[in-house]
Amino acid sequence: DAGVIQSPRHEVTEMGQEVTLRCKPISGHDYLFWYRQTMMRGLELLIYFNNNVPIDDSGMPEDRFSAKMPNASFSTLKIQPSEPRDSAVYFCASSWGLGEKLFFGSGTQLSVL
Amino acid sequence: SQQGEEDPQALSIQEGENATMNCSYKTSINNLQWYRQNSGRGLVHLILIRSNEREKHSGRLRVTLDTSKKSSSLLITASRAADTASYFCATASFSGSARQLTFGSGTQLTVLP
Repeated sequence: DAGVIQSPRHEVTEMGQEVTLRCKPISGHDYLFWYRQTMMRGLELLIYFNNNVPIDDSGMPEDRFSAKMPNASFSTLKIQPSEPRDSAVYFCASSWGLGEKLFFGSGTQLSVL
Repeated sequence: SQQGEEDPQALSIQEGENATMNCSYKTSINNLQWYRQNSGRGLVHLILIRSNEREKHSGRLRVTLDTSKKSSSLLITASRAADTASYFCATASFSGSARQLTFGSGTQLTVLP
């Protein structure tokens, strides 16, 4: 298995633009997580899915953020409109069980100018 | 908010020496995990210790867990330059509204050749 795959690796956009981050979890993993990492706030859980269903989105900072998982092999995190304070590294991770070992993707470095 | 807090925030040692990092947390947990993050990369799982375990080994890694003190330590023996990375503890709680795998702020380890 290729592991968790995220795209794009880097994204530079202007304030107000829509940003879509993509993730392909490891096949067979029932849980998918979106994390955001910044120097100030560390690693924050944004939302997680179980069997494609959003379970806890209380970490999503604002209504500008939305996440979907249309099928077991694909998830998106969308920011619309983007703001400079959204600049961070966004990680997707998957797992076979709740609270079990996480497999992380390489992340998307987002810069909003 | 972060559940686990690592100590020290930064650690610099010579190759061949042992490195010890500590993690303290606040609420009861089901398990505690340690992850490594190389610069610009995603997190990689190192070891998981469950709440009913006191010590676990994996290669040059030794993890201890003291639930009475709500603390854990990660020992890396005979360190190598390649061990240079950030190390994070993450706690898994299933009770109440606690989120899945809350990460600490990390310890930056530098191993000097």
